[in-house]
Amino acid sequence: EAGVAQSPRYKIIEKRQSVAFWCNPISGHATLYWYQQILGQGPKLLIQFQNNGVVDDSQLPKDRFSAERLKGVDSTLKIQPAKLEDSAVYLCASRDRDRGLDEQYFGPGTRLTVT
Amino acid sequence: RKEVEQDPGPFNVPEGATVAFNCTYSNSASQSFFWYRQDCRKEPKLLMSVYSSGNEDGRFTAQLNRASQYISLLIRDSKLSDSATYLCVVNEGGGADGLTFGKGTHLIIQP
Repeated sequence: EAGVAQSPRYKIIEKRQSVAFWCNPISGHATLYWYQQILGQGPKLLIQFQNNGVVDDSQLPKDRFSAERLKGVDSTLKIQPAKLEDSAVYLCASRDRDRGLDEQYFGPGTRLTVT
Repeated sequence: RKEVEQDPGPFNVPEGATVAFNCTYSNSASQSFFWYRQDCRKEPKLLMSVYSSGNEDGRFTAQLNRASQYISLLIRDSKLSDSATYLCVVNEGGGADGLTFGKGTHLIIQP
């Protein structure tokens, strides 16, 4: 079974630029999450989707971050404009919540450096 | 959103030793508990779920104390390959069930 795919793997941008990350979850997983992991910390949830609807975006900095999952499969996370403190690894995870399964499967992440 | 606290370490442990990690969580309504393992520059991967009755998987034993809001992980006969960061993770349940992670405990197994 293919895992969670993310691209790009690495991105370097200057502050105030825009950037977008893409995630393709495990086939059939209706629940998708985006996490931000700053160096030395655990991942922090940014947003949770159930199919194409947002379940929780309480920790998403909505003035600069946006995310969508239009067809309930792939998702994109955008930052516009980026700040230095956005430098982090952005992890996408998916879960087969409809079958009551607990485990979240993480993708390899996109490592963002803002200079 | 509530907190998960754990000692960041590093724990330097000789190969073959037993090592224990603990963490505490602040939300008494939390419903699910996990330990994830994260290798350097890799994504987190589920190590084991933690149940109130305690559970064991080979050399790994996890315990949950709901009254004290405390989770533990015990690794017996540690191997060099156990070197990693161990993340204590809580799911507060309900419709919004994103995970709340601790900062992780860094374990180094020394030959």
